[in-house]
Amino acid sequence: AQKITQTQPGMFVQEKEAVTLDCTYDTSDQSYGLFWYKQPSSGEMIFLIYQGSYDEQNATEGRYSLNFQKARKSANLVISASQLGDSAMYFCAMRERGGSEKLVFGKGTKLTVNP
Amino acid sequence: EPEVTQTPSHQVTQMGQEVILRCVPISNHLYFYWYRQILGQKVEFLVSFYNNEISEKSEIFDDQFSVERPDGSNFTLKIRSTKLEDSAMYFCASSDEGSNYGYTFGSGTRLTVV
Repeated sequence: AQKITQTQPGMFVQEKEAVTLDCTYDTSDQSYGLFWYKQPSSGEMIFLIYQGSYDEQNATEGRYSLNFQKARKSANLVISASQLGDSAMYFCAMRERGGSEKLVFGKGTKLTVNP
Repeated sequence: EPEVTQTPSHQVTQMGQEVILRCVPISNHLYFYWYRQILGQKVEFLVSFYNNEISEKSEIFDDQFSVERPDGSNFTLKIRSTKLEDSAMYFCASSDEGSNYGYTFGSGTRLTVV
């Protein structure tokens, strides 16, 4: 069963504007972690931000923030002041604690920042 | 900053041949992983390795695949008798136990089976 859903295959944003990339998840575990990764055209996976299921505050890392709504099981990524270099694929992922602690990824959203 | 190193960055192989993808995880990490990403698709879990043995494997990880940690530093993925559909980017990753920062991914090996 698919556990991470990213409903936006592609998004466009003007440079310097903010953009929200959606992610919903499904788990029966109480303890889990949510991650966002950026994958530029060069292919590497770049860690952006993490939110733990017990964290009461939304995570922030520079221009990235995570809008965590636990009851809705959503973990949207907000990028403020978009830059041309933000154009990339963005993947939401979840790790369920215990076991192998593997990551399960969504299908990704391709973000294009227009000048 | 510590890195996960993968070699080669790109490999082209004939269908039916065996390939070995190599990874050097971060030295003090305990969990090691292989993921696969077929072009334009999502990243899929293949296998996790902990305490010198496989801790979990996906249904993709069938008898065609094997992993080894032959020494204290390398972590390899072997694909026997490659098929066209094995063409993909293969990512190695490693993780601290209980890390809140996910994994450190290598930059990937792009495997092309012709």
